[in-house]
Amino acid sequence: EIVLTQSPATLSLSPGERATLSCRASQSVGSLIAWYQQRPGQAPRLLISDASNRATGIPARFSGSGSGTDFTLTISSLEPEDFAVYYCQHRTTWPPTWTFGQGTKVEIK
Amino acid sequence: EVQLVQSGAEMKKPGESLKISCKASGYDFKSYWIGWVRQMPGKGLEWMGSFYPGDSDARYSPSLQGPVTMSADKSFNAAYLQWSSLRSTDTGVYYCARRSRDGHAYDFWGQGTRVIVSS
Repeated sequence: EIVLTQSPATLSLSPGERATLSCRASQSVGSLIAWYQQRPGQAPRLLISDASNRATGIPARFSGSGSGTDFTLTISSLEPEDFAVYYCQHRTTWPPTWTFGQGTKVEIK
Repeated sequence: EVQLVQSGAEMKKPGESLKISCKASGYDFKSYWIGWVRQMPGKGLEWMGSFYPGDSDARYSPSLQGPVTMSADKSFNAAYLQWSSLRSTDTGVYYCARRSRDGHAYDFWGQGTRVIVSS
């Protein structure tokens, strides 16, 4: 079973600063990592698929990188609406399982 | 425009049954997997299972602790999650989501259905 570990648990930053979020897999997952944003009281929203592909309509300040076991979501300059919880996710083909990381909360400093 | 619209909040007692829905529009419903994701109060996202409306193939998470059933009605473009006997530990928000064409992410999400199970 693949485990995804996100760090840090909480990131305290100011608007305009750069945010760097980490997701580490317990074994190699190639580039099959997705990232989601969840604002308070809202459903998750897909940001990045296949480690680095921005989903439709996602601003260019969001970027993803990594392969194998180490992945990064970067927000180049935080906007007020970016303060939220971010989850990484991997799908295993067999057995068919979807795994989420425990989340990183980006809060206003 | 792809949309997933879920049924409204529910308050139930332990032992009662429940069926929540996820109505899809804007795409070929029978050709995409639908996933169900649970979020317990104050916690993270937990995958429950996936369902393919085209042939009713269902995949359940091995970590599910109670009996739950996924289904769909292709004529109504709706997916369902059903419990025969709710427990207090089923309290949470349940999201349906469409699996992307490449199969590795959920690209559209419903707004969530809040379920409270309490005596």
